[in-house]
Amino acid sequence: DTEVTQTPKHLVMGMTNKKSLKCEQHMGHRAMYWYKQKAKKPPELMFVYSYEKLSINESVPSRFSPECPNSSLLNLHLHALQPEDSALYLCASSQEAGQGLITNEKLFFGSGTQLSVL
Amino acid sequence: AQKVTQAQTEISVVEKEDVTLDCVYETRDTTYYLFWYKQPPSGELVFLIRRNSFDEQNEISGRYSWNFQKSTSSFNFTITASQVVDSAVYFCALIPRGGGRRALTFGSGTRLQVQP
Repeated sequence: DTEVTQTPKHLVMGMTNKKSLKCEQHMGHRAMYWYKQKAKKPPELMFVYSYEKLSINESVPSRFSPECPNSSLLNLHLHALQPEDSALYLCASSQEAGQGLITNEKLFFGSGTQLSVL
Repeated sequence: AQKVTQAQTEISVVEKEDVTLDCVYETRDTTYYLFWYKQPPSGELVFLIRRNSFDEQNEISGRYSWNFQKSTSSFNFTITASQVVDSAVYFCALIPRGGGRRALTFGSGTRLQVQP
């Protein structure tokens, strides 16, 4: 059973809409991640939060805005997206090896939000 | 920089056949971790195994086994007596333990179809 919960499972939005993706974990993990996965491609890292602070931003456009309100929650705010942003957005978490470090521990993934931008 | 290659895009087998998924990697780091993840149709990636580059022992877990060969930079995954529930996309991934960019590098994935 996945212990990382993502909502919504599906989202359709227009290019002028503002929406948010939510991710929640209660495993006490201190690192949380957003990945983007296009069809038939591997996941691509977008953001990493470590101890609720943004530690990696993989040059993601500003129309994607992450937020980590607390150690259990991770949001991804979407605004003015383009059709090419349509993809599966996966959240993941892992235990943290140390302050600011990216863990080598296994990642726990949610089931993702399938996003379609019209 | 690192790279993970999964040359097999798609494999189709009949139930109870054995199947091997290949993974070849490149890295300049002397210490690294290798992973296999399974992505069923439901979407979430499920962790299968993590292997430290210092540990070249092969591992078996039920019907799954992994063959790590540092000399050929390969970390292959074998499913014995495949079942329909094994149908999924399987990703091999690598992360260096040293400094620099420390995020998973995924291979392009192998889609496994197990026919009844």
